Amino acid sequence: GAVVSQHPSWVICKSGTSVKIECRSLDFQATTMFWYRQFPKQSLMLMATSNEGSKATYEQGVEKDKFLINHASLTLSTLTVTSAHPEDSSFYICSARDQVAGAQETQYFGPGTRLLVL
Amino acid sequence: DAKTTQPNSMESNEEEPVHLPCNHSTISGTDYIHWYRQLPSQGPEYVIHGLTSNVNNRMASLAIAEDRKSSTLILHRATLRDAAVYYCILRQRGAQKLVFGQGTRLTINP
Repeated sequence: GAVVSQHPSWVICKSGTSVKIECRSLDFQATTMFWYRQFPKQSLMLMATSNEGSKATYEQGVEKDKFLINHASLTLSTLTVTSAHPEDSSFYICSARDQVAGAQETQYFGPGTRLLVL
Repeated sequence: DAKTTQPNSMESNEEEPVHLPCNHSTISGTDYIHWYRQLPSQGPEYVIHGLTSNVNNRMASLAIAEDRKSSTLILHRATLRDAAVYYCILRQRGAQKLVFGQGTRLTINP
């Protein structure tokens, strides 16, 4: 199956700093990528939909100025957590859809990035 | 997004079949039924999806009720590596996003 990678796999940062997480589709092109957040013992929560070459669509309650998303190419989307605080500590997961496949194409997920803000 | 209901947890024994139920009584005619699973500390993994007919692949089988208000994911011979949270998700044809519910935490006993 198709592969989605994330970098870094984990990051520890000080409160107030910004952290950038990269999501890449390795063997397919993805016009659409998704960013999720998952707290311990909870399900995945969709944060935003990232479309190549246009602005991301954020879910209700997600601050677009805090979670900056850039989807500059068909294989790369980045999520920047600006001025991170301890409550932003979470497991961030990206996902991508293969644009070549049909209407119900499989969505492929990255391995996740664990963020710890001290 | 149409809602699904799954048991919070299930337990089974290694090398035995596992039947994971999902209720989706408000499913519409254009909703596909998707199953994903998430192993500990990993991103979700696609398992199977279907619309009306039962589906089989190398990982599992999906049995869909005739009225489509419920479905069952079948793992034919569970292994310890199948221990994960299994998510049953409805996605409307043409819709972009997948919205996750709480899922079923499956424990496999050796």
